Amino acid sequence: DTAVSQTPKYLVTQMGNDKSIKCEQNLGHDTMYWYKQDSKKFLKIMFSYNNKELIINETVPNRFSPKSPDKAHLNLHINSLELGDSAVYFCASSQGRLAGYTFGSGTRLTVV
Amino acid sequence: AQKVTQAQTEISVVEKEDVTLDCVYETRDTTYYLFWYKQPPSGELVFLIRRNSFDEQNEISGRYSWNFQKSTSSFNFTITASQVVDSAVYFCALSEADSNAGNMLTFGGGTRLMVKP
Repeated sequence: DTAVSQTPKYLVTQMGNDKSIKCEQNLGHDTMYWYKQDSKKFLKIMFSYNNKELIINETVPNRFSPKSPDKAHLNLHINSLELGDSAVYFCASSQGRLAGYTFGSGTRLTVV
Repeated sequence: AQKVTQAQTEISVVEKEDVTLDCVYETRDTTYYLFWYKQPPSGELVFLIRRNSFDEQNEISGRYSWNFQKSTSSFNFTITASQVVDSAVYFCALSEADSNAGNMLTFGGGTRLMVKP
């Protein structure tokens, strides 16, 4: 049983397209996140949701829109994809800090 | 603002050597949490340890040990008798308890460890 699952694992698409990445966690955690890892391996927070409520929205282009239909799901929709959006996107969840964070296996997005 | 610095971008050792990965952090909060994650070549992020700011006891888990020193704002990670399977990128991360930004993790830039046979 995968604790935090992301789909798809790989996504190759053309510039200008719209795409979505899905994330689901079965840990019962209240908080979910999206992180972006660039080509130099830098990891940076994009969004955080707590019980379906947006609590962190870092400086991310508004082409990126997170959606949380329930506390077990946090999807990421990206409009008008650009070359610079190519990265690995990680979903994560946590239940308070003491439990640590559980990350999904990542989605490698390549925009051509 | 919180910041995590991992000055070593790449370290190369020969199997069975001990290696220490450095992590220095900055925070204004008195309550915070520190983490280490491992990212093997397969790409997933594997949780290794978390430590809260009030617990300065060092921790050992098998070949892994962590040295937390508040006086120098450091949380270093040592692998004893390294093995090829330890080859990965290791990330140190910080989360501030008092922050309005929820449970956000701020990561260091990572240290790529290469263990050669």
